[in-house]
Amino acid sequence: DGGITQSPKYLFRKEGQNVTLSCEQNLNHDAMYWYRQDPGQGLRLIYYSQIVNDFQKGDIAEGYSVSREKKESFPLTVTSAQKNPTAFYLCASSMAPTATGELFFGEGSRLTVL
Amino acid sequence: GDSVTQMEGPVTLSEEAFLTINCTYTATGYPSLFWYVQYPGEGLQLLLKATKADDKGSNKGFEATYRKETTSFHLEKGSVQVSDSAVYFCALNTNAGKSTFGDGTTLTVKP
Repeated sequence: DGGITQSPKYLFRKEGQNVTLSCEQNLNHDAMYWYRQDPGQGLRLIYYSQIVNDFQKGDIAEGYSVSREKKESFPLTVTSAQKNPTAFYLCASSMAPTATGELFFGEGSRLTVL
Repeated sequence: GDSVTQMEGPVTLSEEAFLTINCTYTATGYPSLFWYVQYPGEGLQLLLKATKADDKGSNKGFEATYRKETTSFHLEKGSVQVSDSAVYFCALNTNAGKSTFGDGTTLTVKP
């Protein structure tokens, strides 16, 4: 089945450590996105990529980094510079970065800083 | 910038009650409008969408109409079920391809 796979589902990190969240899609979508979700809040855009080897900062990019070396993969690294990284992270993709395109989401990765 | 304002929750209803979740937006240009649903511990999935003014999106008994004059996209369902318990997000998408989400409304339906 086509879809988006995020891993790991749960991740624990000690303060000062970098962690990388994986996001893979087999939908042949051009655009991919990373969102952060905190309790009682909407989704906030961290980074997005509309094409391979190119990506842009979203609204809360500080303390995060991404790469887009392959069309199907868009990993997110949460660095030690991110002051409050405990959150639920959602990866999404869309057919093209146009207005009418819906987003397809993975099941999320929950990161907890110990 | 673009923004989406949803009715604050949580919303608690009895089974078979009528549901309305209000959503209004601010955007430049002519956005497409979406409702997504999130079940506990999962990602979001599209519930319905509308791409131009006066369009009505519908799915699984839910409906929403794109009202340009009131910049609204309210979600309605005539008779909710326990299985409809979830968090509902209103969102818009502009030609830039970036989606803007509301804060979400938690719906709990009791038997």
